[in-house]
Amino acid sequence: QQKVQQSPESLSVPEGGMASFNCTSSDRNFQYFWWYRQHSGEGPKALMSIFSDGDKKEGRFTAHLNKASLHVSLHIRDSQPSDSALYFCAASETGFASALTFGSGTKVIVLP
Amino acid sequence: NSKVIQTPRYLVKGQGQKAKMRCIPEKGHPVVFWYQQNKNNEFKFLINFQNQEVLQQIDMTEKRFSAECPSNSPCSLEIQSSEAGDSALYLCASSLLGGAGQYFGPGTRLTVL
Repeated sequence: QQKVQQSPESLSVPEGGMASFNCTSSDRNFQYFWWYRQHSGEGPKALMSIFSDGDKKEGRFTAHLNKASLHVSLHIRDSQPSDSALYFCAASETGFASALTFGSGTKVIVLP
Repeated sequence: NSKVIQTPRYLVKGQGQKAKMRCIPEKGHPVVFWYQQNKNNEFKFLINFQNQEVLQQIDMTEKRFSAECPSNSPCSLEIQSSEAGDSALYLCASSLLGGAGQYFGPGTRLTVL
């Protein structure tokens, strides 16, 4: 059983629209969460981290964390064609040099 | 652009052959990670180092995989006897200590024929 479950598997969003996807952890040891984006042929790139309950906004990206339910989400507003990529949530037990456990990924396609 | 450098980008080996890949972490990052990303985009953590010392590693790494991060040299990951199931993208990441994100290189894509 995957410790970090991500949904949906894929989604299409019109240019300028909102893309939203989610992760839920089954391991209460996970306290630190990240969102990564991976374009084809590249390594993952960190978009943002979230460690506290509530919302965190960085530009067009907003992450939300509910530690009680171990649910984390990412919302991309005003989606651009360059946002077409694989998105992964990742979790770790500590913030100190700790291995990441990744979700299964969401493939986002932004339609022009 | 990735500041973590991985070489080679592509590696093709026959079954039973050694496969070695290298990683230069971002300057000033003392922690290095190796992950395997399979064709289904599933990630598996392999091993991590703080400077030259191993912090964590999984069982698979202990048996056929070896890795090191010598001082003043690139880190390396070597598969002693490649198997078809080892075909994957091998990602190196580096980070600072204490709550910092991991910065990934572009990966080495290994194909075992």
